[in-house]
Amino acid sequence: SAVISQKPSRDICQRGTSLTIQCQVDSQVTMMFWYRQQPGQSLTLIATANQGSEATYESGFVIDKFPISRPNLTFSTLTVSNMSPEDSSIYLCSVGQGSLAFFGQGTRLTVV
Amino acid sequence: TQLLEQSPQFLSIQEGENLTVYCNSSSVFSSLQWYRQEPGEGPVLLVTVVTGGEVKKLKRLTFQFGDARKDSSLHITAAQPGDTGLYLCAHAGGTSYGKLTFGQGTILTVHP
Repeated sequence: SAVISQKPSRDICQRGTSLTIQCQVDSQVTMMFWYRQQPGQSLTLIATANQGSEATYESGFVIDKFPISRPNLTFSTLTVSNMSPEDSSIYLCSVGQGSLAFFGQGTRLTVV
Repeated sequence: TQLLEQSPQFLSIQEGENLTVYCNSSSVFSSLQWYRQEPGEGPVLLVTVVTGGEVKKLKRLTFQFGDARKDSSLHITAAQPGDTGLYLCAHAGGTSYGKLTFGQGTILTVHP
């Protein structure tokens, strides 16, 4: 199994600012994934973080708003840029190992 | 995009009652997964169903994969307050099981 640590676990931010979320995995993985979970809703994939290349974004998500870094096989960051209250969500990272997926505990972001 | 329609969206029941959650699609899947998410945590995998008609049991939870591999159900017998949480069905859309498409989720509340 993979153990995933996310930081921060929660934050309250002013609109117009940016927040960078960190995701650390205890083993090397090829791909890491970032999800958004809006209040009371399911998870939606934002992007796949590939080591050594640019992230692959899903429809409706763009790099300028959600820049992603993947400097090595155990670490990734997601930045939520120029935040508005609509960005208030839980952001989660995950990895796949074999037929299993593992998630971090999430970062609960509130934009005021 | 292979959509998963999950129902009901909300369930509020008394301890000891039985319940069923449904996950339906018009697409055929090689496998479906069920997750449970508690507040402040990421989703945790409960089961993966792979074979059409397959039934898997996890204590009081019974998971079934439809014969045509287009739908799945989760049945909980004698629900307990500890079963409270968000239940999600999902399928892996890419080469990694970390890349998932989720149903809308079912928020289950079991009252003592």
